[in-house]
Amino acid sequence: GEDVEQSLFLSVREGDSSVINCTYTDSSSTYLYWYKQEPGAGLQLLTYIFSNMDMKQDQRLTVLLNKKDKHLSLRIADTQTGDSAIYFCAETPNRDDKIIFGKGTRLHILP
Amino acid sequence: ETGVTQSPTHLIKTRGQQVTLRCSSQSGHNTVSWYQQALGQGPQFIFQYYREEENGRGNFPPRFSGLQFPNYSSELNVNALELDDSALYLCASSLIGRGGNTGELFFGEGSRLTVL
Repeated sequence: GEDVEQSLFLSVREGDSSVINCTYTDSSSTYLYWYKQEPGAGLQLLTYIFSNMDMKQDQRLTVLLNKKDKHLSLRIADTQTGDSAIYFCAETPNRDDKIIFGKGTRLHILP
Repeated sequence: ETGVTQSPTHLIKTRGQQVTLRCSSQSGHNTVSWYQQALGQGPQFIFQYYREEENGRGNFPPRFSGLQFPNYSSELNVNALELDDSALYLCASSLIGRGGNTGELFFGEGSRLTVL
């Protein structure tokens, strides 16, 4: 079956790194995504990774994929107050197919 | 900003009523997907429209229906509203069938439906 699991809450001090973890069950997942949702807004794509990659870096964001364990993580370096949001892990086996989302991790920034 | 617009932004209905939500897709996109996001949950796939036809459906009853128009805009219709239909309804546009497509969805800001 298709399922995406992530912890619901993460609290991090401003300036520290945030690491949000996700596990998925669909072994045919080809594309994996991280979306960000700020209060009262829709979802914004932060980054994505193909299943044949282990790592992708984009400025402050680093995505790590362990395909064997079906584990995906998002690291945000130098976390800022503007990073406060809900982060959704998502996957799809086919880029033209539906995308399955986790329940989201709420990132709270401590001063 | 994604260029995907949804209307209305908020609405209140009573149980048993019908609702129509509208979405204009991003310029150049040919596909619209609808998602339901209940409070504290991730978005759940309702269905996708491509070339004016339903192109995949999630685990939602037939009282959830949709349309896609020649200009790729779309409507989501929900009949016989139930209390559990209260949620944020998100429209997302994408591009199917073109090279370089990463499958990413571009979301609107949603229509928040409250059913009393």
